[in-house]
Amino acid sequence: AQSVTQLDSQVPVFEEAPVELRCNYSSSVSVYLFWYVQYPNQGLQLLLKYLSGSTLVKGINGFEAEFNKSQTSFHLRKPSVHISDTAEYFCAVSKGSGNTPLVFGKGTRLSVIA
Amino acid sequence: GAVVSQHPSRVICKSGTSVKIECRSLDFQATTMFWYRQFPKQSLMLMATSNEGSKATYEQGVEKDKFLINHASLTLSTLTVTSAHPEDSSFYICSATGGTYEQFFGPGTRLTVT
Repeated sequence: AQSVTQLDSQVPVFEEAPVELRCNYSSSVSVYLFWYVQYPNQGLQLLLKYLSGSTLVKGINGFEAEFNKSQTSFHLRKPSVHISDTAEYFCAVSKGSGNTPLVFGKGTRLSVIA
Repeated sequence: GAVVSQHPSRVICKSGTSVKIECRSLDFQATTMFWYRQFPKQSLMLMATSNEGSKATYEQGVEKDKFLINHASLTLSTLTVTSAHPEDSSFYICSATGGTYEQFFGPGTRLTVT
């Protein structure tokens, strides 16, 4: 079975500073990895995904993530955050076959301070 | 990306009544839909997997007689919370996949049971 650990439940950061949200996963099989963002009282929006190929994945809103197989990590980064990035971020893993559900981490609350 | 809608976005019902939540894939055929539940400040927990034309598969601990799921067509799945109680108050999110790796999430339904 897969599991996802998001090491930080809350991350406060000043506007225009860089940020890294950490995610580690465990799985006995190859997986697909995802980062989603959730704004208050809304559903999830896909930021980026790793399926295969290049380990550095670029997503929307200036976010990127790097897949590190040896460390079983998929940390999310942004070089300069904005107030509008304040939201909940979820890392998720899937076994990858078409009809398997996602397993989510507990989420990281990113708070950008003006 | 593909669009998934949920209706209603918010619902308040009295204890003991039933409420139905609809999840629709608007521009693709969803062979599989997933229902998640999210408590405040927590992650998404999978409730059940719904394949078109067959019975839903429920996760351990989820009462199938309480949370009735119907996936009658390739674009619609419904979740009915029967005999709702205040502890059923939560944010319910559906997602849909057309058989590829990616799930598309609905905007969620906020259920409040009084």
